[in-house]
Amino acid sequence: ETGVTQSPTHLIKTRGQQVTLRCSSQSGHNTVSWYQQALGQGPQFIFQYYREEENGRGNFPPRFSGLQFPNYSSELNVNALELDDSALYLCASSLAGGQGAYEQYFGPGTRLTVT
Amino acid sequence: AQSVSQHNHHVILSEAASLELGCNYSYGGTVNLFWYVQYPGQHLQLLLKYFSGDPLVKGIKGFEAEFIKSKFSFNLRKPSVQWSDTAEYFCAVLTGGGNKLTFGTGTQLKVEL
Repeated sequence: ETGVTQSPTHLIKTRGQQVTLRCSSQSGHNTVSWYQQALGQGPQFIFQYYREEENGRGNFPPRFSGLQFPNYSSELNVNALELDDSALYLCASSLAGGQGAYEQYFGPGTRLTVT
Repeated sequence: AQSVSQHNHHVILSEAASLELGCNYSYGGTVNLFWYVQYPGQHLQLLLKYFSGDPLVKGIKGFEAEFIKSKFSFNLRKPSVQWSDTAEYFCAVLTGGGNKLTFGTGTQLKVEL
């Protein structure tokens, strides 16, 4: 069984730039959620994708957007980067339907630094 | 809006000591509750979960948690901690129809030999 993978591991960007983070879900999972974890904080829900459509969104501005592909992998795009976007970005996958929908499995994260 | 409070931000224990980490949530509806653990250099891992039924749930590595609905609490316990339990522990509640995990700020546990 392949776990959740994310790329890249680390990324440094300049304020105002755009970034794309990638996630491959765990084998057999069809739902992907993205979280932002600032230093010293718990992860905060950005949004979730199911069947290639956004299925719930947290309190993040529209410059945070995402995609899910037919193979259930996903991208998180952030436009017009701000210094406060510096954080660990986590991807979690789950299987919609039944109790499996309630268990999210996390990847190692992408550490984004905005300078 | 739902929220999760973890009152212990840093806990230091000696090996073999008992552990209890507090977690309170604010949400009036049906909740699914989780404890996740993040060992140094590793990703978040599910420690245990509560969906329904017996309010005392057992997880991996000897951890357990008790759901007390009247207190909106889901405290994590372990009778005897080990040095390898050094990690950050996060309590989380699933709401929004099952798609949104709301996390607490985490508790950093350090177990000393």
